[in-house]
Amino acid sequence: VQLVQSGAEVKKPGASVKVSCQASGYSFTSFGISWVRQAPGQGLEWMGWVRPHSGKTDYAQKVQGRVTMTADTSTTTAYMELRSLRSDDTGIYYCARDTGNYYGSGSYFNDYWGQGTLVTVSS
Amino acid sequence: DIQMTQSPSSLSASVGDRVTITCQASQDIVDYLNWYQQKPGKAPKLLIYDASNLQTGVPSRFSGSGSGTDFTLTISSLQPEDIATYYCQQYDNFPTFGPGTKVDIK
Repeated sequence: VQLVQSGAEVKKPGASVKVSCQASGYSFTSFGISWVRQAPGQGLEWMGWVRPHSGKTDYAQKVQGRVTMTADTSTTTAYMELRSLRSDDTGIYYCARDTGNYYGSGSYFNDYWGQGTLVTVSS
Repeated sequence: DIQMTQSPSSLSASVGDRVTITCQASQDIVDYLNWYQQKPGKAPKLLIYDASNLQTGVPSRFSGSGSGTDFTLTISSLQPEDIATYYCQQYDNFPTFGPGTKVDIK
């Protein structure tokens, strides 16, 4: 199993960024993809998830309205787009495979992670 | 939202010591609790899922326990390669992480 993310990005405040996460080594539609970010020197923050087989998404309240997560089953690639960037969006963005069991319907955990993508928001 | 707290925020211990990290949820989360290890500059790594299940390939010196609101991660004999920050994660409805516990060698 491998998750390979796109490269580092530098954006100005107000711009958008789109991070990709190419999955391989497993059945892409049998699992979910979660996105987690980490501000410099800070802890982990769940941003949301996408179910590739249905496209269904849920987002954390903090980024709701600014984020869109999608999955392309033909290329086994997940995407996370964040709009109206602010300086406090600076950090490392990770994609992670999840079990696809949401809302307490079964075990949920992130067993494989991408290498992370550094997004820097600066004027 | 369910809030997670961890204690201590950091600790220093000697090689071979038994290390215990606690995680508390703001409400009952049954056993919907995972533990991750993150080394500097690296992605997190799953250690324990569903409070007490050891992820495949993780050394047996790591163990997890607890249910309801109080959970524990134990390293039975601290090794130099265990230097890292440890995070708990609850997944009752939407996931949230604890603030982390940084573990150093004394």
